[in-house]
Amino acid sequence: KAGVTQTPRYLIKTRGQQVTLSCSPISGHRSVSWYQQTPGQGLQFLFEYFSETQRNKGNFPGRFSGRQFSNSRSEMNVSTLELGDSALYLCASRKPGTSGSNEQFFGPGTRLTVL
Amino acid sequence: SQKIEQNSEALNIQEGKTATLTCNYTNYSPAYLQWYRQDPGRGPVFLLLIRENEKEKRKERLKVTFDTTLKQSLFHITASQPADSATYLCAHISWGKLQFGAGTQVVVTP
Repeated sequence: KAGVTQTPRYLIKTRGQQVTLSCSPISGHRSVSWYQQTPGQGLQFLFEYFSETQRNKGNFPGRFSGRQFSNSRSEMNVSTLELGDSALYLCASRKPGTSGSNEQFFGPGTRLTVL
Repeated sequence: SQKIEQNSEALNIQEGKTATLTCNYTNYSPAYLQWYRQDPGRGPVFLLLIRENEKEKRKERLKVTFDTTLKQSLFHITASQPADSATYLCAHISWGKLQFGAGTQVVVTP
């Protein structure tokens, strides 16, 4: 069974630009969550999607948005990039019909550098 | 506010010894805690989950304990190996969001 995949793996953008990151969950997983990881703040929850609906949202500005498609693939978008948005963006999927206690399967991440 | 904390200092340990990591939580009582391993530049990998009514959970050389009185979970790596070198994160669900501790880096030297 293929794991969670994320594209692209590396991205370099300049301030003010926007970026779209993509995540394909494990087949059959309908829950997809996004996280931002930086050396200073650690792993921080961005949002979770389940069956194309945003189920939870972290404390990030509105420049960060996401969506989920009917095949469970998800994208996240960051508009008007700032230097502080440089981070490793991780996507994770979870088995369907389970409580929040179940493990998350993480992808390899997208390393975003904002210049 | 609900907080989950790990010792941010790296843990240097000799091969064969037991590494013990701490995860403390404040201002709430999680129903369970999860432990993950993360290697540099890669996504975390789930290791173990322990529920509040479980005192201890084991998986191969890994052992997790959960002390609701001390509001603490301990993560042990017995007979540590250099391949165990990584950052270990504890996490819990808070208001539907998976919240992670800062992680503790473990370095196992031969």
